Amino acid sequence: AQSVTQPDIHITVSEGASLELRCNYSYGATPYLFWYVQSPGQGLQLLLKYFSGDTLVQGIKGFEAEFKRSQSSFNLRKPSVHWSDAAEYFCAVVNRGGTSYGKLTFGQGTILTVHP
Amino acid sequence: KAGVTQTPRYLIKTRGQQVTLSCSPISGHRSVSWYQQTPGQGLQFLFEYFSETQRNKGNFPGRFSGRQFSNSRSEMNVSTLELGDSALYLCASSLNHYTDTQYFGPGTRLTVL
Repeated sequence: AQSVTQPDIHITVSEGASLELRCNYSYGATPYLFWYVQSPGQGLQLLLKYFSGDTLVQGIKGFEAEFKRSQSSFNLRKPSVHWSDAAEYFCAVVNRGGTSYGKLTFGQGTILTVHP
Repeated sequence: KAGVTQTPRYLIKTRGQQVTLSCSPISGHRSVSWYQQTPGQGLQFLFEYFSETQRNKGNFPGRFSGRQFSNSRSEMNVSTLELGDSALYLCASSLNHYTDTQYFGPGTRLTVL
């Protein structure tokens, strides 16, 4: 079964600093990967997704992620964090076959705190 | 285009009661998925409906059920509520394929006392 691990439960950065959120996945075939963000009291918003092709994916709000098959990773990055980026971030993989076709499996999430 | 809407936003119930949550997908979207979010278990897939048929189901007991109407609106029902059912229930809609982006609603916060 597929799984997603986000090793960092909570990360604190200063405004203007760079950010990297880690995500490791386990999936038998080529994974389709996503990063979502959730602000308090809100639903999830898609930041970016990777299906195939260029392993460096650009998303909204200045985020990017790099797919590394050899490391089973899909880390999210941002060169300069803004206070409004404080939220919880989820990495996810979608099941592309079998009885759970289309099901998203999420990591446990990483809470980002931004200091002024 | 209007986003995914969920009603009600907040619910308080007592153990043993049942509850129905509603989700209206983005216009034109035919797939609706439901997820349960709790601090301990994180985000877990409940089930997915496509064209009024349950296409996928997660590992939840039979007390959790759902349905989808011809206009793609979906409801989920939880019978015989337990304290552990307290959670944020999220609905997501997409066009029809797993490669299509799932757009999430704001969720319904269910508290079971």
